[in-house]
Amino acid sequence: AQKITQTQPGMFVQEKEAVTLDCTYDTSDPSYGLFWYKQPSSGEMIFLIYQGSYDQQNATEGRYSLNFQKARKSANLVISASQLGDSAMYFCAMREENNNNDMRFGAGTRLTVKP
Amino acid sequence: EPEVTQTPSHQVTQMGQEVILRCVPISNHLYFYWYRQILGQKVEFLVSFYNNEISEKSEIFDDQFSVERPDGSNFTLKIRSTKLEDSAMYFCASSDRTTSLRDEQYFGPGTRLTVT
Repeated sequence: AQKITQTQPGMFVQEKEAVTLDCTYDTSDPSYGLFWYKQPSSGEMIFLIYQGSYDQQNATEGRYSLNFQKARKSANLVISASQLGDSAMYFCAMREENNNNDMRFGAGTRLTVKP
Repeated sequence: EPEVTQTPSHQVTQMGQEVILRCVPISNHLYFYWYRQILGQKVEFLVSFYNNEISEKSEIFDDQFSVERPDGSNFTLKIRSTKLEDSAMYFCASSDRTTSLRDEQYFGPGTRLTVT
């Protein structure tokens, strides 16, 4: 069963605007962690932000924030003030407490920032 | 800043041949992982390794695959008899996780494997 769903294969955003990349997940484990990774065209995977299932507040890291809606099982990534260098693939991933060596990734969203 | 390294960056091999992909994790990390990404698709978990043994593996990681930590620094992925569908980018990752779910896995730059 698909654990992580990213419904937007591609997104466009104007430079300096904010963009939201969607991620929904499926788990019955009450304890889990959610991650976002960025993969630029060079191919490496870059960790961006983490949200724990018990965290009371939404995670923020610089221009990245995570809109965590636990009841809806969504963990959308918000990038504020987009920059040309933000153009990349973005992957949402999850690890579950009872399966905690196994990180599952979504299909990814390709973000293109337009000047 | 410490980083995970992988060699080679690109490996071309003929179908049926054995390949070994090499990784040097970050030196104080104890958990090691291999992932695969077929071109244009998502990153897929293959295997995790801790304390000199496999701790978890996916359905992709069949008998054709094996992992090894032959010394104190290298972590290898071997594919015994490559198939065309093994063509992908293979990422190694490592972390220093103990019990926390907040396990930032540091990824290497990947090895692109092309099977002809």
